[in-house]
Amino acid sequence: NAGVTQTPKFQVLKTGQSMTLQCAQDMNHEYMSWYRQDPGMGLRLIHYSVGAGITDQGEVPNGYNVSRSTTEDFPLRLLSAAPSQTSVYFCASSSLGAPLADTQYFGPGTRLTVL
Amino acid sequence: AQKITQTQPGMFVQEKEAVTLDCTYDTSDPSYGLFWYKQPSSGEMIFLIYQGSYDQQNATEGRYSLNFQKARKSANLVISASQLGDSAMYFCAMRVGTGNQFYFGTGTSLTVIP
Repeated sequence: NAGVTQTPKFQVLKTGQSMTLQCAQDMNHEYMSWYRQDPGMGLRLIHYSVGAGITDQGEVPNGYNVSRSTTEDFPLRLLSAAPSQTSVYFCASSSLGAPLADTQYFGPGTRLTVL
Repeated sequence: AQKITQTQPGMFVQEKEAVTLDCTYDTSDPSYGLFWYKQPSSGEMIFLIYQGSYDQQNATEGRYSLNFQKARKSANLVISASQLGDSAMYFCAMRVGTGNQFYFGTGTSLTVIP
């Protein structure tokens, strides 16, 4: 049981390049989400999904796209990277409608630098 | 709107002493859960402790306890007998009602001094 996996762990991009951050979970969780973590700002929600084919925007969605074709995978796409997207990205998952006490399960994070 | 506030960007504590990390929250939903996470320098998010809004007693998990004051809307994390390995970033988070979304504070960086 690998939990939540993210690839790559580190990435350096040039402004304007595109890339996809991968996230996968093997816990059959319906709910998956992407956060970005910036110094002094905590974790901010980018996009989330409540199941295959269903996605929605979070607090800071601009510049990012997501899709959810399977329960397991929830990739995050940067179509045209900007220096403001330099951040650490976390993917998380949980069971939909789980008891309030249930935590989210986090991936190890991806550290992205945009030059 | 839901909000979590952590007003201490950085804290220092002597090894073996206790330390309190502050967290206040705001929600109009009577059903909510409060979580604390630890993020060491390696970067992973580690779940520490949970407190539900209807829980009568303060939560405890080993050296971690949560000082829950519902009327003041505060959920402070208390770490007893600090260890060098407690040096990390600590985040307070809230989950509300039947939703799955978590709301995070800005975090507190704790440094334990030998």
